[in-house]
Amino acid sequence: DAKTTQPNSMESNEEEPVHLPCNHSTISGTDYIHWYRQLPSQGPEYVIHGLTSNVNNRMASLAIAEDRKSSTLILHRATLRDAAVYYCILRDIRGSGTYKYIFGTGTRLKVLA
Amino acid sequence: GEEVAQTPKHLVRGEGQKAKLYCAPIKGHSYVFWYQQVLKNEFKFLISFQNENVFDETGMPKERFSAKCLPNSPCSLEIQATKLEDSAVYFCASSQSIAALDEKLFFGSGTQLSVL
Repeated sequence: DAKTTQPNSMESNEEEPVHLPCNHSTISGTDYIHWYRQLPSQGPEYVIHGLTSNVNNRMASLAIAEDRKSSTLILHRATLRDAAVYYCILRDIRGSGTYKYIFGTGTRLKVLA
Repeated sequence: GEEVAQTPKHLVRGEGQKAKLYCAPIKGHSYVFWYQQVLKNEFKFLISFQNENVFDETGMPKERFSAKCLPNSPCSLEIQATKLEDSAVYFCASSQSIAALDEKLFFGSGTQLSVL
């Protein structure tokens, strides 16, 4: 399984953009890049996912490097409610019988008021 | 329902006792996943189901862990003869689709298992 590397923690000021990096140098052509976040005392929550092109949704944007060896989750205006652990996950869609997400250790985002 | 429902929220067992956790996936979701979160940030995949069929059980410690998803019943994860190291939060997730474009997991709020 391809692995991801993320910084352990990051800080951001409220109302400012946040760029959360993820390295995945061993990514394969069939790996989708997924982001989930875990708010305190809750289960993980889907944020966004993509394959090659940049993606936008109401929560965030995902910028994927041209060689796909890294990606960045962008929160356009951080709020206190965005304080969470953010996980970058590679999801291999090949084959049958494999439907697990491999979570890394994630980035703990602290948002300062 | 519109959310993944896990019960109980907390479960305390003495070492060697049995523990049984339940998960009701979102209505219409065919895929169910179980994860174990031991330390704050570390998730371990246990098992996945497509309806009542096991899809991937490569993460299950088979000697003491078992899981089922039967029709018209909540899915269950059972641990026989619990050990101290089984203390963790167990998350269940469900998914409607496994097609790459719209695949996303919906997680429950977890069951905190404490083995004393």
